[in-house]
Amino acid sequence: EVQLVESGGGLVQPGGSLRVSCAASGFTFGNYWMHWVRQAPGKGLVWVSRIDSDGSTTTYADSVKGRITISRDNAKNTLYLQMNSLRAEDTAVYYCARARVLSFGKNAFDTWGQGTMVTVSS
Amino acid sequence: DIQMTQSPSSLSASVGDRVTITCRASQTISTHLNWYQQKPGKAPKLLIYGASRLQSGVPSRFSGSGSGTDFTLTISSLQPEDFASYYCQQSYGTLYTFGQGTKLEIK
Repeated sequence: EVQLVESGGGLVQPGGSLRVSCAASGFTFGNYWMHWVRQAPGKGLVWVSRIDSDGSTTTYADSVKGRITISRDNAKNTLYLQMNSLRAEDTAVYYCARARVLSFGKNAFDTWGQGTMVTVSS
Repeated sequence: DIQMTQSPSSLSASVGDRVTITCRASQTISTHLNWYQQKPGKAPKLLIYGASRLQSGVPSRFSGSGSGTDFTLTISSLQPEDFASYYCQQSYGTLYTFGQGTKLEIK
């Protein structure tokens, strides 16, 4: 079964750091681009970051650039999101998602984790 | 960055109704447009990719159309399990932006 399982969320003080992880199973992790998407309580989905299949190319939303780093360890089938200088507005459920090239060359997120909650509060 | 605008933000409908949700991109994205369904407390689920391609396992009452900047998601006959939030997403630019969502509620 194709599966993504996030972990590492929790309560962190403003200005603090946290690393969340996403463990992949049931597919060849190293063949896929991976993304992070977040959702603040009661709000919509916001795309955060992406990383290519070998980890050499990364992209970030403007709202997190310079504070968040996406990385992966293909040997461990794990995706990471290192978050620094956290702010109250970073409070959200963080989802990892697999990007798959489907028919006609179209790219979409076909597999999602269950999410991990990050709360930034004093 | 490409901005995605969905309408309406909320919608009340009855079982059996036909409903349409629209999504507009701030610049042309060809057919690089996806639709997701999200139920409370759950992860999003891919419904439609490439503007009109039905993801495997998704009921045929869901359909998508459009190209360029204007897109629609149609549910032909609402079922009780369809009451959820729906999001469009563009996969054309380097930043895969989402629309703000449409919450579909029972009338």
